[in-house]
Amino acid sequence: EDKVVQSPLSLVVHEGDTVTLNCSYEVTNFRSLLWYKQEKKAPTFLFMLTSSGIEKKSGRLSSILDKKELFSILNITATQTGDSAVYLCAVAVQGAQKLVFGQGTRLTINP
Amino acid sequence: KAGVTQTPRYLIKTRGQQVTLSCSPISGHRSVSWYQQTPGQGLQFLFEYFSETQRNKGNFPGRFSGRQFSNSRSEMNVSTLELGDSALYLCASSVRDVRDEKLFFGSGTQLSVL
Repeated sequence: EDKVVQSPLSLVVHEGDTVTLNCSYEVTNFRSLLWYKQEKKAPTFLFMLTSSGIEKKSGRLSSILDKKELFSILNITATQTGDSAVYLCAVAVQGAQKLVFGQGTRLTINP
Repeated sequence: KAGVTQTPRYLIKTRGQQVTLSCSPISGHRSVSWYQQTPGQGLQFLFEYFSETQRNKGNFPGRFSGRQFSNSRSEMNVSTLELGDSALYLCASSVRDVRDEKLFFGSGTQLSVL
């Protein structure tokens, strides 16, 4: 069965800290890995990764994929209170037209 | 460009009733997917439609069904509601081009079954 596991499930840090969120996966036919941010209801797209070792960056957020070790990390530097959210990792499975999601990491940034 | 629109935003039903949720995708998007989100299980795939055809279905009982119309709008129906069906139901649309499988989510319908 396809599985995506995120860690930690919950994280509380102070504003200005750097955080690393982890995502590991076991899927039969990997196509791509995606990161989403869910603040209230609608998850919003952050990154899509398909190739190993290539870092994607957007401002203070960055992500990288390791297809050999089957994991990805999401880094957030100089965190702000607005970064507080649930971060979701998902894997697109070849030929299945669906995403398999992890449980999410609830990140809380305290001022 | 308008985002994915889901209606209603909130719904309260009692056990045994049925419910229909609606989703309007982003203009030009032909694929619509539905996900159920609960605190215990996270986001779980329900089904995906493309050009009015269901292409994939998740591991949910037959009480969960859906359809897509010619204008790409989609509905999902849950019959004989159970307490465990209480969840946030999220709809997502995508172009579903082979090069791009990003999903764009709506704000969801929060269903409470009493």
